[in-house]
Amino acid sequence: DAKTTQPPSMDCAEGRAANLPCNHSTISGNEYVYWYRQIHSQGPQYIIHGLKNNETNEMASLIITEDRKSSTLILPHATLRDTAVYYCIVRVKEGGGNKLTFGTGTQLKVEL
Amino acid sequence: EAGVTQFPSHSVIEKGQTVTLRCDPISGHDNLYWYRRVMGKEIKFLLHFVKESKQDESGMPNNRFLAERTGGTYSTLKVQPAELEDSGVYFCASSQLGAGGSYEQYFGPGTRLTVT
Repeated sequence: DAKTTQPPSMDCAEGRAANLPCNHSTISGNEYVYWYRQIHSQGPQYIIHGLKNNETNEMASLIITEDRKSSTLILPHATLRDTAVYYCIVRVKEGGGNKLTFGTGTQLKVEL
Repeated sequence: EAGVTQFPSHSVIEKGQTVTLRCDPISGHDNLYWYRRVMGKEIKFLLHFVKESKQDESGMPNNRFLAERTGGTYSTLKVQPAELEDSGVYFCASSQLGAGGSYEQYFGPGTRLTVT
């Protein structure tokens, strides 16, 4: 799986959009970008994934650049409960059988 | 629908003792994974079951760790004998198998293992 690079930490004011960047310059054509987060002392939680098109769900939006070498996870209206470590993971989506390779992630702190 | 459950939530044992962790995946999920995070390190993959078969056990650290999934339902991870460096949080995750699924992995809350 391709390696990803994320900033170690970011701050965001509550109610504002949180934009979390991720670089994956060595991504292959059959690799997807997945985002998970881990709220303190809980298990990782799936957020969203995409291949090349932008994606949106009830939790977040995922913007993938045209060359697919980077992406941004957007939490449109961050709340205190969004404080967590966010992981950008690149993996092949084949039958659900691939392990997740976690990096160090981005610690997002949402403040009043 | 019930999520992934793990038992116990916390275990404290002495070095040299044996501990067994249990994971109950989401009903109908054939894929089951074990991960762990040891102090100060990243979350690392341990192994992957498809139903009752071990698909990938490349992350198992050594032969003191034994994972089973008899009948393809719940799984156990036994550490025998436990060492100090085994302390950490052990996560279990499950996902669907087959075409049409979104394949995201759903994680349990983890078991915090402390070896003293």
